[in-house]
Amino acid sequence: EAQVTQNPRYLITVTGKKLTVTCSQNMNHEYMSWYRQDPGLGLRQIYYSMNVEVTDKGDVPEGYKVSRKEKRNFPLILESPSPNQTSLYFCASSLKPGGLLKAFFGQGTRLTVV
Amino acid sequence: AQSVTQLDSQVPVFEEAPVELRCNYSSSVSVYLFWYVQYPNQGLQLLLKYLSGSTLVESINGFEAEFNKSQTSFHLRKPSVHISDTAEYFCAVTPDNQGGKLIFGQGTELSVKP
Repeated sequence: EAQVTQNPRYLITVTGKKLTVTCSQNMNHEYMSWYRQDPGLGLRQIYYSMNVEVTDKGDVPEGYKVSRKEKRNFPLILESPSPNQTSLYFCASSLKPGGLLKAFFGQGTRLTVV
Repeated sequence: AQSVTQLDSQVPVFEEAPVELRCNYSSSVSVYLFWYVQYPNQGLQLLLKYLSGSTLVESINGFEAEFNKSQTSFHLRKPSVHISDTAEYFCAVTPDNQGGKLIFGQGTELSVKP
């Protein structure tokens, strides 16, 4: 089954404690991206990757890092989480950039930073 | 820069009534347009998209959207809603000259009541 898998689904952590949210897709997609969803703001892109070892900032990259060492995985790293990073996070992938083909979304990771 | 505005944050409606969810966008370049749906506790799913050709696009579950270039709108409509249509709906655009970025509106929460 074609899917994008995020882990964990729920996470509560403390300020400053490094964490990683994993994202994996099994469709051999080139393009992957991370979004955060906040009430009244919709989804905003954090980082994206056009292919292995090719990543770039989205609209709200501050406080986040990503890596793309292999095609299927695109982890989101919070080196020193802060309460303003409390949000719902989605990973997405598509065969090609541009959204022309269907983008697949993970089920989301609800992060709370206290 | 591009932006997407969904004019209603919440739309309550009775079952079997018609509904319209409004979406306007702003862009200096051509864009492709999408509607995504997010059911409770799930990720986003593509509902329909406009890439080119006929300005009226339809989904398999009875929704349709019409691209109006002069009014820069892409409103979503359904003539008769069901309880199962209760979800949050996101309008999104992708500029045709950028590498895959989806720009989302703020979301509209559709609540269908019996």
